Amino acid sequence: DIQMTQSPSSLSASVRDRVTITCRASQNISSYLNWYQQKPGKAPKLLIFATSSLQSGVPSRFSASGSGTDFTLTISSLQPEDFATYYCQHSYGIWTFGQGTKVEVK
Amino acid sequence: QVQLQESGPGLVKPSETLSLTCTVSGASISSYYWSWIRQPPGKGLELIGYIFHSGSTNYNPSLKSRLTISLDTSKNQFSLKLNSVTAADTAVYYCARLRGGWGSGWYLDYWGQGTLVTVSS
Repeated sequence: DIQMTQSPSSLSASVRDRVTITCRASQNISSYLNWYQQKPGKAPKLLIFATSSLQSGVPSRFSASGSGTDFTLTISSLQPEDFATYYCQHSYGIWTFGQGTKVEVK
Repeated sequence: QVQLQESGPGLVKPSETLSLTCTVSGASISSYYWSWIRQPPGKGLELIGYIFHSGSTNYNPSLKSRLTISLDTSKNQFSLKLNSVTAADTAVYYCARLRGGWGSGWYLDYWGQGTLVTVSS
């Protein structure tokens, strides 16, 4: 199985900070990488698909890039509603998710 | 607006079968692909499997021997059956719509709210 490793596992940030989360695959997954946001007690929400395509309705402060094994999610100016856990997910073969990155209030 | 809603028992005894149904509104299950994902309490997300509108399936190898995912087009529902459950199967179970394709990859764009299933005697 392809393993997905996110870093950091958690981070503390303030509103208007720029936040970057990385996701590394254990082997080449081309551009088959998605990002989700999950708030406590809620289902995950799709933010980004196919490495860098913004899902409809998602604010433009979210962006992502990468290819092969290394990917990043960036929030350009953190807003109060962005405090959540973020997961990457590959869809190359049997999908797996990263372990999550919790974005907390500093 | 596409909506998904999971239903089924919240408590299952060890060694028995976990059965869940996902009812879809706002989209025909015959036109899309569908998936089940689970999340143990306090942990991350795990793909259970997915089903194409043709009825063909792809299961997580770690669950494959115990798992059946099927469609009921007459009710616009799809279902999950996981047999011989243990405490390790305790999780929030989500159903979701699968989009994308072999060229761009697959992603989950609409999710149900999730349902907690506890395996305990």
